[in-house]
Amino acid sequence: AQSVTQPDIHITVSEGASLELRCNYSYGATPYLFWYVQSPGQGLQLLLKYFSGDTLVQGIKGFEAEFKRSQSSFNLRKPSVHWSDAAEYFCAVGASGGSNYKLTFGKGTLLTVNP
Amino acid sequence: DAGVTQSPTHLIKTRGQHVTLRCSPISGHKSVSWYQQVLGQGPQFIFQYYEKEERGRGNFPDRFSARQFPNYSSELNVNALLLGDSALYLCASSHFYEAFFGQGTRLTVV
Repeated sequence: AQSVTQPDIHITVSEGASLELRCNYSYGATPYLFWYVQSPGQGLQLLLKYFSGDTLVQGIKGFEAEFKRSQSSFNLRKPSVHWSDAAEYFCAVGASGGSNYKLTFGKGTLLTVNP
Repeated sequence: DAGVTQSPTHLIKTRGQHVTLRCSPISGHKSVSWYQQVLGQGPQFIFQYYEKEERGRGNFPDRFSARQFPNYSSELNVNALLLGDSALYLCASSHFYEAFFGQGTRLTVV
């Protein structure tokens, strides 16, 4: 069964600083990998996805992520954080089992941005 | 284009009651999935429906059921509500392994 670990529960950065959120996954085959962002009380917005090909993927809002198969990681990065980036971030792995497809999420990383 | 829409947005129920949550997928998407997100956790998979058939079920009791209609909209039903069912219930419609989420229904059981 697949699993996702987000080691950092809460991260605080200053506005304008760089950001890296860590994600490690466990899955027996090539995974579909996703990063979602969630503002308080809201649904999930897809930031970026990796299916295959180039291991560095670009997403919305200036985010990027790099797939490293050898480390089973898919870390999210942003070179300069804006106050509006404060939210909770979820890494997810998508996997098919027979005729079904589901996402398995990590527990999330809460990002606080200091002015 | 309209995204995934869920109704109601908020709901308060009493223990033992039944609840029905509704979801309309993005036009053209045939797969709908339901997730439960309790406070401080990531979403947990409950059901997937594709072309009106249940394709997958997570580790939830039989009190949870769902269905998908010919127009691909979906309902999630929960019977005999428990306090622990209080959560944000998210619906996602999918196309080629990419899931798009609605804003969720916040269910509070008192």
